[in-house]
Amino acid sequence: GAVVSQHPSRVICKSGTSVKIECRSLDFQATTMFWYRQFPKQSLMLMATSNEGSKATYEQGVEKDKFLINHASLTLSTLTVTSAHPEDSSFYICSGRRGETQYFGPGTRLLVL
Amino acid sequence: QQQVKQSPQSLIVQKGGISIINCAYENTAFDYFPWYQQFPGKGPALLIAIRPDVSEKKEGRFTISFNKSAKQFSLHIMDSQPGDSATYFCAASSGRGSTLGRLYFGRGTQLTVWP
Repeated sequence: GAVVSQHPSRVICKSGTSVKIECRSLDFQATTMFWYRQFPKQSLMLMATSNEGSKATYEQGVEKDKFLINHASLTLSTLTVTSAHPEDSSFYICSGRRGETQYFGPGTRLLVL
Repeated sequence: QQQVKQSPQSLIVQKGGISIINCAYENTAFDYFPWYQQFPGKGPALLIAIRPDVSEKKEGRFTISFNKSAKQFSLHIMDSQPGDSATYFCAASSGRGSTLGRLYFGRGTQLTVWP
Protein backbone atom coordinates (compact mmCIF):
# COMPACT_ATOMS: atom_id res chain seq x y z
CA GLY A 1 0.00 0.00 0.00
CA ALA A 2 0.88 3.66 0.22
CA VAL A 3 0.70 4.98 3.76
CA VAL A 4 0.94 8.57 4.88
CA SER A 5 1.11 9.51 8.54
CA GLN A 6 0.56 12.84 10.26
CA HIS A 7 1.62 14.01 13.67
CA PRO A 8 0.06 15.18 15.86
CA SER A 9 -3.47 13.94 15.24
CA ARG A 10 -4.88 16.80 17.25
CA VAL A 11 -3.41 19.86 18.91
CA ILE A 12 -4.73 22.66 21.08
CA CYS A 13 -2.70 25.83 21.35
CA LYS A 14 -3.01 29.36 22.60
CA SER A 15 -3.49 32.26 20.24
CA GLY A 16 -0.17 33.73 19.13
CA THR A 17 1.83 30.52 19.37
CA SER A 18 3.19 28.43 16.50
CA VAL A 19 2.27 24.86 15.72
CA LYS A 20 4.17 22.38 13.56
CA ILE A 21 2.46 19.47 11.79
CA GLU A 22 4.52 16.64 10.31
CA CYS A 23 3.55 14.59 7.27
CA ARG A 24 5.45 11.43 6.43
CA SER A 25 5.17 8.95 3.59
CA LEU A 26 5.96 5.67 5.31
CA ASP A 27 6.43 3.21 2.47
CA PHE A 28 7.09 5.34 -0.61
CA GLN A 29 9.03 8.39 -1.65
CA ALA A 30 6.89 11.42 -2.36
CA THR A 31 8.58 13.98 -4.53
CA THR A 32 5.44 16.06 -4.22
CA MET A 33 3.33 16.56 -1.13
CA PHE A 34 0.18 18.63 -0.81
CA TRP A 35 -1.36 20.41 2.15
CA TYR A 36 -5.10 20.86 2.45
CA ARG A 37 -7.47 22.50 4.85
CA GLN A 38 -10.98 21.21 5.40
CA PHE A 39 -13.86 22.92 7.17
CA PRO A 40 -16.79 20.90 8.56
CA LYS A 41 -18.98 19.38 5.88
CA GLN A 42 -16.92 20.95 3.12
CA SER A 43 -14.54 19.74 0.48
CA LEU A 44 -10.76 19.81 0.70
CA MET A 45 -9.17 23.16 -0.03
CA LEU A 46 -5.64 23.01 -1.40
CA MET A 47 -3.30 25.30 0.48
CA ALA A 48 0.04 24.55 -1.11
CA THR A 49 2.07 22.15 -3.20
CA SER A 50 5.44 21.14 -1.86
CA ASN A 51 8.25 19.64 -3.92
CA GLU A 52 11.24 18.08 -2.23
CA GLY A 53 14.17 20.47 -2.06
CA SER A 54 12.36 23.51 -3.41
CA LYS A 55 10.04 26.21 -2.17
CA ALA A 56 6.38 25.43 -1.82
CA THR A 57 3.83 26.85 -4.23
CA TYR A 58 0.93 28.46 -2.40
CA GLU A 59 -2.62 28.81 -3.62
CA GLN A 60 -4.10 32.24 -4.05
CA GLY A 61 -5.21 33.69 -0.75
CA VAL A 62 -2.97 31.49 1.41
CA GLU A 63 -0.41 33.49 3.37
CA LYS A 64 2.99 31.90 2.86
CA ASP A 65 4.46 33.71 5.86
CA LYS A 66 1.74 32.32 8.09
CA PHE A 67 1.73 28.77 6.79
CA LEU A 68 5.36 27.76 6.46
CA ILE A 69 5.98 24.59 4.51
CA ASN A 70 9.23 22.66 4.44
CA HIS A 71 9.82 19.55 2.34
CA ALA A 72 13.27 18.53 3.50
CA SER A 73 13.27 14.94 2.30
CA LEU A 74 11.37 12.58 0.03
CA THR A 75 9.40 11.26 3.00
CA LEU A 76 8.82 14.30 5.19
CA SER A 77 7.01 17.61 4.81
CA THR A 78 6.10 19.95 7.61
CA LEU A 79 3.50 22.68 7.93
CA THR A 80 4.05 25.33 10.58
CA VAL A 81 1.16 27.60 11.46
CA THR A 82 2.83 30.73 12.81
CA SER A 83 1.18 33.12 15.27
CA ALA A 84 -1.96 31.03 15.24
CA HIS A 85 -5.34 32.66 15.72
CA PRO A 86 -8.75 31.12 16.42
CA GLU A 87 -9.70 31.46 12.75
CA ASP A 88 -6.84 29.06 11.93
CA SER A 89 -8.70 26.32 13.77
CA SER A 90 -9.42 23.64 11.21
CA PHE A 91 -8.67 20.13 9.98
CA TYR A 92 -5.37 20.02 8.12
CA ILE A 93 -4.63 17.10 5.81
CA CYS A 94 -1.51 16.29 3.83
CA SER A 95 -1.04 13.94 0.91
CA GLY A 96 1.89 12.40 -0.89
CA ARG A 97 1.88 11.81 -4.60
CA ARG A 98 3.01 8.48 -6.01
CA GLY A 99 2.62 8.38 -9.75
CA GLU A 100 -0.72 9.94 -10.57
CA THR A 101 -2.31 9.09 -7.23
CA GLN A 102 -2.42 11.12 -4.04
CA TYR A 103 -2.46 9.24 -0.77
CA PHE A 104 -3.77 11.15 2.20
CA GLY A 105 -2.74 11.28 5.81
CA PRO A 106 -5.25 10.89 8.65
CA GLY A 107 -5.42 14.63 9.26
CA THR A 108 -4.58 16.96 12.15
CA ARG A 109 -7.29 18.74 14.10
CA LEU A 110 -6.01 22.16 15.21
CA LEU A 111 -7.87 24.18 17.82
CA VAL A 112 -6.58 27.64 18.64
CA LEU A 113 -7.91 29.13 21.85
CA GLN B 1 -15.01 28.37 -10.45
CA GLN B 2 -15.71 24.79 -9.49
CA GLN B 3 -13.70 22.62 -11.87
CA VAL B 4 -15.53 19.44 -10.87
CA LYS B 5 -19.24 19.50 -10.10
CA GLN B 6 -20.65 16.73 -7.91
CA SER B 7 -24.21 15.73 -7.12
CA PRO B 8 -26.17 15.00 -5.07
CA GLN B 9 -24.95 16.77 -1.96
CA SER B 10 -26.53 14.09 0.21
CA LEU B 11 -27.94 10.66 -0.47
CA ILE B 12 -29.95 8.26 1.63
CA VAL B 13 -30.14 4.64 0.49
CA GLN B 14 -31.60 1.55 2.02
CA LYS B 15 -29.30 -1.35 2.82
CA GLY B 16 -28.86 -3.52 -0.25
CA GLY B 17 -29.72 -0.70 -2.63
CA ILE B 18 -27.59 1.02 -5.25
CA SER B 19 -25.93 4.35 -4.46
CA ILE B 20 -25.15 6.58 -7.44
CA ILE B 21 -23.05 9.74 -7.30
CA ASN B 22 -22.43 11.86 -10.36
CA CYS B 23 -19.65 14.24 -11.35
CA ALA B 24 -19.02 16.48 -14.33
CA TYR B 25 -15.99 18.41 -15.51
CA GLU B 26 -15.09 20.93 -18.20
CA ASN B 27 -11.32 20.77 -18.52
CA THR B 28 -10.45 18.31 -21.29
CA ALA B 29 -6.86 18.18 -20.02
CA PHE B 30 -8.04 16.06 -17.09
CA ASP B 31 -6.91 12.48 -17.58
CA TYR B 32 -7.21 10.85 -14.18
CA PHE B 33 -10.40 10.57 -12.16
CA PRO B 34 -10.21 9.13 -8.63
CA TRP B 35 -12.92 8.70 -6.04
CA TYR B 36 -12.16 9.10 -2.36
CA GLN B 37 -14.09 7.94 0.69
CA GLN B 38 -13.85 9.92 3.91
CA PHE B 39 -15.14 8.99 7.34
CA PRO B 40 -15.66 11.70 10.01
CA GLY B 41 -12.39 12.87 11.52
CA LYS B 42 -10.28 10.86 9.06
CA GLY B 43 -8.35 11.63 5.92
CA PRO B 44 -9.76 10.66 2.51
CA ALA B 45 -8.95 7.16 1.32
CA LEU B 46 -8.63 6.24 -2.35
CA LEU B 47 -11.54 4.06 -3.37
CA ILE B 48 -11.21 3.56 -7.11
CA ALA B 49 -9.89 5.54 -10.07
CA ILE B 50 -10.28 5.57 -13.84
CA ARG B 51 -8.58 6.96 -16.90
CA PRO B 52 -10.56 8.25 -19.88
CA ASP B 53 -9.47 5.44 -22.18
CA VAL B 54 -11.98 3.08 -20.56
CA SER B 55 -15.71 3.55 -20.04
CA GLU B 56 -16.11 1.46 -16.92
CA LYS B 57 -14.03 0.09 -14.08
CA LYS B 58 -15.26 -2.26 -11.39
CA GLU B 59 -13.69 -3.18 -8.08
CA GLY B 60 -15.86 -5.32 -5.88
CA ARG B 61 -19.10 -3.45 -5.18
CA PHE B 62 -17.74 -0.18 -6.56
CA THR B 63 -17.98 0.77 -10.24
CA ILE B 64 -16.96 3.92 -12.05
CA SER B 65 -18.78 4.73 -15.28
CA PHE B 66 -17.05 7.25 -17.52
CA ASN B 67 -18.57 9.19 -20.44
CA LYS B 68 -15.79 11.08 -22.18
CA SER B 69 -17.98 12.87 -24.73
CA ALA B 70 -20.33 14.14 -22.02
CA LYS B 71 -17.41 14.84 -19.64
CA GLN B 72 -19.20 13.01 -16.87
CA PHE B 73 -18.33 10.17 -14.56
CA SER B 74 -20.19 8.44 -11.81
CA LEU B 75 -19.68 6.10 -8.88
CA HIS B 76 -22.05 3.21 -8.35
CA ILE B 77 -22.06 1.34 -5.06
CA MET B 78 -23.90 -1.95 -5.39
CA ASP B 79 -25.49 -3.71 -2.42
CA SER B 80 -24.91 -0.64 -0.25
CA GLN B 81 -24.11 -1.39 3.40
CA PRO B 82 -24.34 0.73 6.57
CA GLY B 83 -20.53 0.66 6.70
CA ASP B 84 -20.51 2.55 3.39
CA SER B 85 -22.01 5.57 5.15
CA ALA B 86 -19.37 8.25 4.58
CA THR B 87 -18.61 11.28 2.46
CA TYR B 88 -17.53 10.58 -1.10
CA PHE B 89 -15.46 12.95 -3.18
CA CYS B 90 -14.85 12.74 -6.89
CA ALA B 91 -11.74 14.41 -8.23
CA ALA B 92 -9.84 15.03 -11.43
CA SER B 93 -6.26 15.78 -12.33
CA SER B 94 -4.06 16.30 -15.33
CA GLY B 95 -0.75 14.59 -15.99
CA ARG B 96 0.47 17.57 -17.97
CA GLY B 97 1.49 21.16 -17.47
CA SER B 98 2.06 23.32 -14.45
CA THR B 99 -0.77 21.69 -12.48
CA LEU B 100 0.74 18.23 -12.75
CA GLY B 101 -0.88 15.90 -10.25
CA ARG B 102 -3.01 18.56 -8.60
CA LEU B 103 -6.43 17.21 -7.66
CA TYR B 104 -9.59 19.22 -8.26
CA PHE B 105 -12.27 17.96 -5.91
CA GLY B 106 -16.03 17.94 -6.10
CA ARG B 107 -17.95 19.31 -3.14
CA GLY B 108 -18.65 15.86 -1.76
CA THR B 109 -21.68 13.63 -1.23
CA GLN B 110 -22.78 12.57 2.23
CA LEU B 111 -24.05 9.00 1.88
CA THR B 112 -26.22 7.43 4.56
CA VAL B 113 -27.18 3.78 4.25
CA TRP B 114 -30.09 2.75 6.47
CA PRO B 115 -30.04 -0.78 7.86
